[in-house]
Amino acid sequence: GDSVTQMEGPVTLSEEAFLTINCTYTATGYPSLFWYVQYPGEGLQLLLKATKADDKGSNKGFEATYRKETTSFHLEKGSVQVSDSAVYFCALTNSGGGADGLTFGKGTHLIIQP
Amino acid sequence: EPEVTQTPSHQVTQMGQEVILRCVPISNHLYFYWYRQILGQKVEFLVSFYNNEISEKSEIFDDQFSVERPDGSNFTLKIRSTKLEDSAMYFCASRSELNPRSTQYFGPGTRLTVL
Repeated sequence: GDSVTQMEGPVTLSEEAFLTINCTYTATGYPSLFWYVQYPGEGLQLLLKATKADDKGSNKGFEATYRKETTSFHLEKGSVQVSDSAVYFCALTNSGGGADGLTFGKGTHLIIQP
Repeated sequence: EPEVTQTPSHQVTQMGQEVILRCVPISNHLYFYWYRQILGQKVEFLVSFYNNEISEKSEIFDDQFSVERPDGSNFTLKIRSTKLEDSAMYFCASRSELNPRSTQYFGPGTRLTVL
């Protein structure tokens, strides 16, 4: 079945550091890829998405590029802030496989220190 | 901005009791979902619902679970006889478009604690 693998946390960085959170996937068909963020005590919010190969999703300074050749969707940000501290989930939905629900990775807990 | 709402925010129940978790999806959305997140683990898909019937369910969604859209606004998840391992955060989500690549919007979750 479909699966998403992302780097385990916690990831601890200083403010203004460069961020990369790795995400790779296994899926049949042509999945769409998503990054969701979960701030402490809150639900899941869509951060960005990409629906086909080579698409780049971006939002709030975060970017991720859909790389079909490496089956990856790594999340990057050039300069993180304390307010970026949260849990980040990589996810996919696979319309080509007929599946409707999102398949999530385990989440990466990001901690930004001032 | 429209949002998915869920009630209650926290539900505590005794093992073996029935619970109903409630969700109000975004008003013009047509596709509805339940997910769960056991503490410290990943978010897991339970079920999707469209046109008043289940369109997909995971192996987690066994006979103890059921979903219903009792009126034009609510979407509910019922657990018939709760077990300790049902303790988790339950998220409702909805989306508007026929295209499954469109975004699912999540509610804030209901934390279920089974004692």
